[in-house]
Amino acid sequence: GAVVSQHPSWVICKSGTSVKIECRSLDFQATTMFWYRQFPKQSLMLMATSNEGSKATYEQGVEKDKFLINHASLTLSTLTVTSAHPEDSSFYICSATPRSNSPLHFGNGTRLTVT
Amino acid sequence: KQEVTQIPAALSVPEGENLVLNCSFTDSAIYNLQWFRQDPGKGLTSLLLIQSSQREQTSGRLNASLDKSSGRSTLYIAASQPGDSATYLCAPNTNAGKSTFGDGTTLTVKP
Repeated sequence: GAVVSQHPSWVICKSGTSVKIECRSLDFQATTMFWYRQFPKQSLMLMATSNEGSKATYEQGVEKDKFLINHASLTLSTLTVTSAHPEDSSFYICSATPRSNSPLHFGNGTRLTVT
Repeated sequence: KQEVTQIPAALSVPEGENLVLNCSFTDSAIYNLQWFRQDPGKGLTSLLLIQSSQREQTSGRLNASLDKSSGRSTLYIAASQPGDSATYLCAPNTNAGKSTFGDGTTLTVKP
């Protein structure tokens, strides 16, 4: 079945540094990928829609200059958390689907801790 | 804006019970609806996908139904097992993969 790989699975960084998270679709091409954030004991909140070859679409309240998204190929999207602060500590999850009416497949998530 | 409500928020049952998880959504113009399970600290595992034209889908001990016009879906789990313990999330999809998630139902199945 379709698989989405996310890397790294966890990362600890110091305040002020940047962290890059990768999301890959392993056996299908995805023109669109989605980035979610999940705080403890809360549900997933969509941050942005990553579009291959064009700019990402950000949800209201999400700072595009802080959460940089690059979707340079049909199988890879990256999320870079720039100048990370402790309040950015969260669980970040990506998802992708081969086509609009197919199941949405999720990566295993990245646990980010900013100290 | 799509809003998703899942009831109950938490459920604890003894092993072997049949149970029903409920999901309601406000925007009935959906492409499909997907049920997921999430284990603590992990990503999401897709359980069932129901297209907007379908009424139900079955996979093993799981059965999901969809009443699109009333904005409701249910997930039925038969003969529950301790390994079913997880958080179950409902996600109606109104725009080509852009899903809205409920807060989930946290299920505990006691041996």
